[in-house]
Parts: sequence; C-alpha cells; structure tokens
Amino acid sequence: EVQLVESGGGLVEPGGSLRLSCAASGFTFSSFSMNWVRQAPGKGLEWVSSISSSSTYIYYADSVKGRFTISRDNAKNSLYLQMNTLRAEDTAVYYCARPHISAATGDAFHIWGQGTMVTVSS
Amino acid sequence: QSVLTQPPSVSAAPGQKVTISCSGSSSNIGNNYVSWFQQLPGTAPKLLIYDNNKRPSGIPERFSGSKSGTSATLGITGLQTGDEADYYCGTWDGSLSGRVFGGGTKLTVL
Repeated sequence: EVQLVESGGGLVEPGGSLRLSCAASGFTFSSFSMNWVRQAPGKGLEWVSSISSSSTYIYYADSVKGRFTISRDNAKNSLYLQMNTLRAEDTAVYYCARPHISAATGDAFHIWGQGTMVTVSS
Repeated sequence: QSVLTQPPSVSAAPGQKVTISCSGSSSNIGNNYVSWFQQLPGTAPKLLIYDNNKRPSGIPERFSGSKSGTSATLGITGLQTGDEADYYCGTWDGSLSGRVFGGGTKLTVL
C-alpha cells in the first residue's frame, strides 16, 4: 500500500525548533519529488516547500524561507522538514505529499499523509 | 490573500451541476498545469484533477476540469450530499518560483 506517515509535531514555544519526518512506503521514494503543505486551523492550504527526487532542486514559500529546511534520505525513504525560529503563524497541520505518477508537473499532489499538528505558543 | 482567486462558497441542489472557478495570471495558470483538490472535514486533501483535465484512477467522471487562458474551472455534475467539502485549485507560479493554492471554495449541497 502506498503510504506517507508524518511525525514530529507538537507544542513548541515561539523562537523554538522542531523537525518533522515523513516516512514513505509502497512506492519507489527516490523517483519522486516531495512536498510539505500546511493548513492553519480553519484556513486554506498553503504550500511550504518542495524537493526534487535527488535533492538537486529545492523551493520554499516566502513565508518560511530562511527558517525552514527541507531534506530527504532516499536510503531511508524519508522526507524531513527542519523548522527553526518558529512563530505563532506557523501553527498548522503539516502534510507531506507526493505527486501523481503520471502528472506532467510536481503540483499534482496525489498521495498525502495524515498530517502532524504543530502548535507554536508560549 | 491567495495568488489564485476562488469564490468563497458555491451551492446547488442534489443532482444539479456546479462549477468552481480559479483565476490567476500568466505567471501561474496561464503557463502551467492546474490541479484540483477536495478536502472533506477533518481529512487530508484528495486529488480530483491534474494536468488541467485528467482524473486519477477512482475519481468519478462527474468531476471535470478545464483551463482557458489564466483561469481554470472545476465542474461537478450529479451533485451528491457527499460532495460537500472544500475545493482548492493549485499550480506552479514562475514569478514566485513556488507552488500556489487558491483560497478554497466551500461547496454546499442544499
């Protein structure tokens, strides 16, 4: 079964750090670009970051640039998001997502994890 | 304020048809493929349409997508109460060098 499972969320104080993980299974992880998407409580979807299959190309939303770092370990079938200098506005459910196998671009997020909640509060 | 503009809400009766628009610019929709997602309450989003008008396996033909210029449209026919959800469009934005979503549209099936 194709699956993504996020972990690492929790409560952190403003200015703190957190590292999210996304474990992939059921497909050839190293063949796909991967993404992080977040959703603040009661709000819409917000793309956070993308990484190409071999980590050559990395992109970030302006809202997290300089604070968040995306990475992957293809040997461990895992995706990561290192989040530093966290702010209250970073509070959200964080999803990892994989594009559709036949899509022309990496935007067609087909496989999603269940999400992990990050709460930034004192 | 989202880069892609969607109506906040739409509604229609069961069995009817509804369309949801997604308006952008030449830096996003105008020169890139569009995807559409459905999000039921408390669940992860689900891909409905990719590459403007293609349906993943398992998505009913009732769902369709189209694109013209800098706008895209999601169509849903034969509305069912189970279609009540939030719908999002998404694409790549070359000016931002990043992926963007619309603000979302809440569909109510009356």
